[in-house]
Amino acid sequence: DSGVTQTPKHLITATGQRVTLRCSPRSGDLSVYWYQQSLDQGLQFLIQYYNGEERAKGNILERFSAQQFPDLHSELNLSSLELGDSALYFCASSVGLLNEQFFGPGTRLTVL
Amino acid sequence: GQQVMQIPQYQHVQEGEDFTTYCNSSTTLSNIQWYKQRPGGHPVFLIQLVKSGEVKKQKRLTFQFGEAKKNSSLHITATQTTDVGTYFCAGTLIYNQGGKLIFGQGTELSVKP
Repeated sequence: DSGVTQTPKHLITATGQRVTLRCSPRSGDLSVYWYQQSLDQGLQFLIQYYNGEERAKGNILERFSAQQFPDLHSELNLSSLELGDSALYFCASSVGLLNEQFFGPGTRLTVL
Repeated sequence: GQQVMQIPQYQHVQEGEDFTTYCNSSTTLSNIQWYKQRPGGHPVFLIQLVKSGEVKKQKRLTFQFGEAKKNSSLHITATQTTDVGTYFCAGTLIYNQGGKLIFGQGTELSVKP
């Protein structure tokens, strides 16, 4: 158990819908990262927050957005969902900006 | 764009054989991290290398960071079935202050008992 929690574990929805994935980092970790993992794309970095502020952006679509709240938990919002958005979404946290990352168990999103 | 290439994509070995995966970046990295993901699991941090030419060992695993800080390797001696999984390298770009890791595509290791 990494100490990072993600909810829900599984999510099945339809194209065009909007979903919210939630992540609680390890106690004391200020950085939160979001990744998308699909079979053909590997592990893709989406976005990073540090102490409530966005610090780095990766291959995140405009239909996706995220935020980190004052209590340091984070949410990833995915809207206008497409079939290709089906993937495993991981949240990770770290103490600082360049430290080892601890991954949560992931949320498996299926878009039908 | 910034890329970290990892080879091979797949490796099948007999238990007891050695295994090596290689990671190459198109740009200089400030550090490199290695993660292991078991089937159905999440990536788990193994190690971080920071210095040019650094070599670190964890039991049967040996990690190296190249002199130019553009490549790295993970070598497993005498593989065991517990080594099965996908090994990812992840590099932090030297000018990036946000701790953004660029992950390689991973090497999936299968071990035949």
